[in-house]
Amino acid sequence: DTAVSQTPKYLVTQMGNDKSIKCEQNLGHDTMYWYKQDSKKFLKIMFSYNNKELIINETVPNRFSPKSPDKAHLNLHINSLELGDSAVYFCASSLKNIQYFGAGTRLSVL
Amino acid sequence: AQTVTQSQPEMSVQEAETVTLSCTYDTSESNYYLFWYKQPPSRQMILVIRQEAYKQQNATENRFSVNFQKAAKSFSLKISDSQLGDTAMYFCAFVAREYGNKLVFGAGTILRVKS
Repeated sequence: DTAVSQTPKYLVTQMGNDKSIKCEQNLGHDTMYWYKQDSKKFLKIMFSYNNKELIINETVPNRFSPKSPDKAHLNLHINSLELGDSAVYFCASSLKNIQYFGAGTRLSVL
Repeated sequence: AQTVTQSQPEMSVQEAETVTLSCTYDTSESNYYLFWYKQPPSRQMILVIRQEAYKQQNATENRFSVNFQKAAKSFSLKISDSQLGDTAMYFCAFVAREYGNKLVFGAGTILRVKS
């Protein structure tokens, strides 16, 4: 009965590959987010969707493409992975200004 | 631009004692929310406490309380009776509707509770 679940928890891949991270929330929230946490633990917004509509796109390279098939899901697809994409990616959903986070996906690009 | 500053990269406290983590922020908005999130080594982001800017009363959650000084744009977190399980990275964060409700985070403070 996890509220915000991300898969996979760990992802190790080679440079140049394409990969996806999936996120699902069962809280009935309308808004979902992707955040990136870099190696210095700094957290920054990447995207936000409200009811399947893109609300925030925070100057992220277009190799990153979010997709929201319905308001309970927000997936992140990354093309042509680069070494600098190595980070922890968090999905979150919100209701009334409180954001609930998934457990994070640690992406390692070799 | 909205910014959040945490000036203490690391802090330590003895078990059962009290510690205060500092946070300042900068915004021109009048309606916003402030949060403290905890990230233990498991990397899960856990909401500790939140404060609505329009409320003058400081929020409290069990051993956790805040000192919200709106004019000074300061939002410190006090942890009383520190426990070993409080060891974590603590992030101060800000959200305002006018900016799409995105969370803007500080750089974090590593708190170590010693036995």
